[in-house]
Amino acid sequence: QQQVKQSPQSLIVQKGGISIINCAYENTAFDYFPWYQQFPGKGPALLIAIRPDVSEKKEGRFTISFNKSAKQFSLHIMDSQPGDSATYFCAATLKTSYDKVIFGPGTSLSVIP
Amino acid sequence: DGGITQSPKYLFRKEGQNVTLSCEQNLNHDAMYWYRQDPGQGLRLIYYSQIVNDFQKGDIAEGYSVSREKKESFPLTVTSAQKNPTAFYLCASRVRGGNEQFFGPGTRLTVL
Repeated sequence: QQQVKQSPQSLIVQKGGISIINCAYENTAFDYFPWYQQFPGKGPALLIAIRPDVSEKKEGRFTISFNKSAKQFSLHIMDSQPGDSATYFCAATLKTSYDKVIFGPGTSLSVIP
Repeated sequence: DGGITQSPKYLFRKEGQNVTLSCEQNLNHDAMYWYRQDPGQGLRLIYYSQIVNDFQKGDIAEGYSVSREKKESFPLTVTSAQKNPTAFYLCASRVRGGNEQFFGPGTRLTVL
């Protein structure tokens, strides 16, 4: 119940295309869903986050879509660029403890020219 | 320039030796965390500390130990009891009341 599933494991997108990464969870007590971006050899950095009372959040080319009834959420990267090539992790935290972040296994995105 | 510092970036040790990884933050954050990252896996929580002189085990604490004597420092010791210590180790911190964890650059430990 504490797991966050993520797909695909890897993704190759042409420059200018849309990258879509999907995540699913079981525990309805999760109340904060961040996405992290990690470049090789670096620590993850928060990209965008959403709470379950919102169905969509957009920041620049990055959009999170959230489907509370299906317990699914996804990251869309519009106009994907080679500089977006990185590993992306979805995650979830409980309302009772922001100390326990449950991370998905990650998606390795490659944007090719 | 505020942030989290982890040192060293790369660390090599012989099997059976204990090794300590450094994590320092000047963000004035109360909570600090240690994660382990293996290829193709998400981050797994080793230990965390919400305040000085207090810490809790995470999901994979066996073979690791920590201390929190100062607010800005949270060193992790990988002991010889850790069966498979080769991994990328990440330190993070969070301000009290906030929900975002900020990560350091990581230390890659290789045990030969």
